[in-house]
This record gives sequence, structure tokens and C-alpha cells, in this order.
Amino acid sequence: DIQMTQSPSSVSASVGDRVTITCRASQGIRSWLGWYQQKPGKAPKLLIYAASTLQSGVPSRFSGSESGTDFTLTISSLQPEDFATYYCQQANSYPITFGQGTRLEIK
Amino acid sequence: EVQLVESGGGLVQPGGSLRLSCASSGFRSGSDYMSWVRQAPGKGLEWVANIKQDGSATFYVDSVKGRFTISRDTAKNSLYLQMNSLRAEDTAVYYCVYYSSTLGWFDPWGQGTLVAVSS
Repeated sequence: DIQMTQSPSSVSASVGDRVTITCRASQGIRSWLGWYQQKPGKAPKLLIYAASTLQSGVPSRFSGSESGTDFTLTISSLQPEDFATYYCQQANSYPITFGQGTRLEIK
Repeated sequence: EVQLVESGGGLVQPGGSLRLSCASSGFRSGSDYMSWVRQAPGKGLEWVANIKQDGSATFYVDSVKGRFTISRDTAKNSLYLQMNSLRAEDTAVYYCVYYSSTLGWFDPWGQGTLVAVSS
């Protein structure tokens, strides 16, 4: 199985800050990487797929990039509604696996 | 926008069975599968099963193989998950979601239904 390891597990930041979350795959997954945002008590929401393609309707302050087996989600200028938990997910092979999540909290 | 509504969750004893249902208001363009993804209380997301839209292919995570069965009724635009031999570790919110095998995304997600396995 492909393991997805996110870092950090949690991060505190302020409105307006630039935040970066990293996801490392245990083996090559090409660009089969998605990012999701989940708020408490709500279902996850797709932000980015194919490592860097922004889902329709998602603000442009969100972006994704890749370098080998390392993937990055960047929020360029945090807004109050961005405080949530973020998950990466690989779709290169079954079983589909998620990272353990990164909790983004208000400083 | 397509909406998914799950039902059928509840409290069940270990070893028991439960059938989850998911009704879709339409069809998500670009998707070729439907899926179940679960989340144990306070934990992360875990993919459970996929079924191709025409029912011709299914995939499961190892921990549920032989116990869970995913199925689809295209006429009713519905998705199901038959869960047998339930264990405490199956306790979770179960989400129904569309999946694209060509782009690897899950979207949109239902609101989820809670399954609690306890004596």
C-alpha cells in the first residue's frame, strides 16, 4: 500500500499568512494527488486534483505543486474561512489512501 | 449541482449487519465510479470501496473484503453498502462520493451517515 505522510500534523497561523502543507508519498504516484478541506462536522471538499489543478469554484489563493514524491498545498493569504483540516489523497493505485490530515488553527 | 444523501446508519451489535443507501440527485459529469469513504470519530479519512458506474468492477480496502459489498442501482441512481460481520473498528461516519478514475478525485461528497458498532 502507498503511505501518505503529511507535515505538519497541525499548524497555527494568522489571517493573511502564507501557509504550506506537505504530503510525501512512500513511492512514486506521478501526479495522482488530490487535496481536500474538511471543517468540523462537515464532509470533505475537493480543492485540488492532479497535484496542481484547482477545482472549479475554489479560490485562487489555493495552489498545489509537486516535486518527485513530495506534494505541497499552499494558501497564499489565509482567510478566516480557511481554518480547517486538510487531507492529501493518492489515486495512483489501489487501495486509495489519504494522509493523516493537517489541522490549520488560528494563532 | 449534484447532491448525495446517505441513509441507513445506526447502532448495531458486533457481528451484526447494516445496509447503507445513498441517493443521488443527478449525475456527476467526469466521474466513472461511485465510492464509500469512512471516517472514525476524531480520525482521518479511509477509502472503503469503489464501484464502476455500470457495476462491472468493484474494489475494496483489505479490512472489509469478504464482509462488505458495494452495489449500484442505476435506474434509481442509488448506491449501497451491505456491511456484514461488523466490528467495533467499523464505527465511523460513512460518506458516499463520486470518483473519477481518470483524474483521481472524489467529488462531491454526501453529508455522511454514522455507523456505531457496540454491544
